[in-house]
Amino acid sequence: EAQVTQNPRYLITVTGKKLTVTCSQNMNHEYMSWYRQDPGLGLRQIYYSMNVEVTDKGDVPEGYKVSRKEKRNFPLILESPSPNQTSLYFCASSLLANTEAFFGQGTRLTVV
Amino acid sequence: GENVEQHPSTLSVQEGDSAVIKCTYSDSASNYFPWYKQELGKRPQLIIDIRSNVGEKKDQRIAVTLNKTAKHFSLHITETQPEDSAVYFCAAREGNTGNQFYFGTGTSLTVIP
Repeated sequence: EAQVTQNPRYLITVTGKKLTVTCSQNMNHEYMSWYRQDPGLGLRQIYYSMNVEVTDKGDVPEGYKVSRKEKRNFPLILESPSPNQTSLYFCASSLLANTEAFFGQGTRLTVV
Repeated sequence: GENVEQHPSTLSVQEGDSAVIKCTYSDSASNYFPWYKQELGKRPQLIIDIRSNVGEKKDQRIAVTLNKTAKHFSLHITETQPEDSAVYFCAAREGNTGNQFYFGTGTSLTVIP
């Protein structure tokens, strides 16, 4: 089954404790993205990747890191999480940048 | 960078009526405009998209129109049904400088049976 898989689905952590949210797709897509969704603000792109070893900042990259060592995986890293990073996070992938994006199930992160 | 504005933020319609959601964008080089539907507690899913070389696209009860001159695009849903109730997001793909996406802030559509 074609899918985008994120883990974990829910995470509560403390300020400053490094964490990684994983994202994997099995569709051989080139383009992958991370978004955060906050009430009233819609979806905001954090980082995106056009292909392996190619990553670029989105609209709200501060406090986040990503890597794309393999085509299928695109982890989101928070080196020192802060409460303002409490949000719902979505990973998405698409064959190309201008084709349908498939979203993961979402990760609800709470930083206390 | 691009700026996408979406209106209205909430919309209620009677079942069977039409619903229209409008978005404007600022970057004239933007060239791909998808619409996503997000049901409560679920992930966003693409319902229709349009590219800048096309003025209108239709898929059954859903249509999207694009006016490049005015830099706005609209989602039209006809013969609305209760299952159309959801949050709808428009988006624009940046044209010249990269492949970044900008989303509108969403429209919460309620279809009243």
